[in-house]
Amino acid sequence: EDQVTQSPEALRLQEGESSSLNCSYTVSGLRGLFWYRQDPGKGPEFLFTLYSAGEEKEKERLKATLTKKESFLHITAPKPEDSATYLCAVFSGSARQLTFGSGTQLTVLP
Amino acid sequence: DSGVTQTPKHLITATGQRVTLRCSPRSGDLSVYWYQQSLDQGLQFLIHYYNGEERAKGNILERFSAQQFPDLHSELNLSSLELGDSALYFCASSEKRGAPSSYNEQFFGPGTRLTVL
Repeated sequence: EDQVTQSPEALRLQEGESSSLNCSYTVSGLRGLFWYRQDPGKGPEFLFTLYSAGEEKEKERLKATLTKKESFLHITAPKPEDSATYLCAVFSGSARQLTFGSGTQLTVLP
Repeated sequence: DSGVTQTPKHLITATGQRVTLRCSPRSGDLSVYWYQQSLDQGLQFLIHYYNGEERAKGNILERFSAQQFPDLHSELNLSSLELGDSALYFCASSEKRGAPSSYNEQFFGPGTRLTVL
């Protein structure tokens, strides 16, 4: 059974204070690791897909990286509008479905 | 805006009732996925349809069923509702014709908030 663990559960940062969110996973045959952003009461918004260890992707202040056991979402100089819950999910060949972690709730204070 | 639409936005009903949630995928997407999100369970996969056919099932209760129609929109039917069914229900879509891949990124709709009283 695929498992995804995200840490920390909640993170409070000052505006401009860079940090990283962690996503650890256990899957049989990883086909893709996905990062989403979710605002309260809204649908998850797609951010990145990573397919193989060593891959990195960037978008504005966000950078996602992937190893064989975990992924990191680095947030550089965050702004209050980056406040949201960040979800990590994996798709494996065995499960044939997305398995989501419980998310990291990020709050960026002005 | 992801291009995925869901109706209704809010639904309030009583225990024992039956409701239908509707989802229209992004233009050209062949796959529709249904998810349930509750405070204590997080985002849980329910079921996946591809071009009208069921492709994968997650932790979907027997009281729940879904279908995808020839125009690719999908409906999730929830019956004999219980208090514990109160949650946000999301659909997502992916896989354009000619670019099939089950592990393409999925694009989520705005959700339907179901409250069972």
